[in-house]
Amino acid sequence: KQEVTQIPAALSVPEGENLVLNCSFTDSAIYNLQWFRQDPGKGLTSLLLIQSSQREQTSGRLNASLDKSSGRSTLYIAASQPGDSATYLCAVRAGANSKLTFGKGITLSVRP
Amino acid sequence: GAVVSQHPSWVICKSGTSVKIECRSLDFQATTMFWYRQFPKQSLMLMATSNEGSKATYEQGVEKDKFLINHASLTLSTLTVTSAHPEDSSFYICSATANSPLHFGNGTRLTVT
Repeated sequence: KQEVTQIPAALSVPEGENLVLNCSFTDSAIYNLQWFRQDPGKGLTSLLLIQSSQREQTSGRLNASLDKSSGRSTLYIAASQPGDSATYLCAVRAGANSKLTFGKGITLSVRP
Repeated sequence: GAVVSQHPSWVICKSGTSVKIECRSLDFQATTMFWYRQFPKQSLMLMATSNEGSKATYEQGVEKDKFLINHASLTLSTLTVTSAHPEDSSFYICSATANSPLHFGNGTRLTVT
């Protein structure tokens, strides 16, 4: 059974800091991995999707990497801003039509 | 980009009543839809997977007679919480896919009083 772990559960950093959010998964046979952002009481916003054959994806200040063999992914946020404060969820998928298995998320607070 | 509309965004109901939540894929045909549930400060837990025209597949521990899922067309799936109780209060999110990245609705906050 796939398990996704995100540690720590919460993180507080000063504005402008570069930071790394970690995600680990137990079964390396994944189809893809996706990072989401969730604001309080809201739905999910997809940030980056990495296919199993890819090593990283970039979008603006965000960069996500994938190391399938070690079961790890990181989300790098450059020059963090207060508007980046949210919960960041990592999720993996076993197949094209399979469900997503989510981690519990990391709640990020960026202090002005 | 693909859009998934979920309605209502929030609902308050009395214990014992039933509530229906709709999930629509607006600009694509979703062969598969997923229903998730999220408790405060917890991750999203899959409740069931539904494919158009067939019965939903429920995850272990999810009561299929309590959480009725209908996927009558390629653009619409509904989740009905029957005889709701306060412990059913939660955030319900649907997602849809057509052999592509999953697209999520904005969720429904259900409060049962």
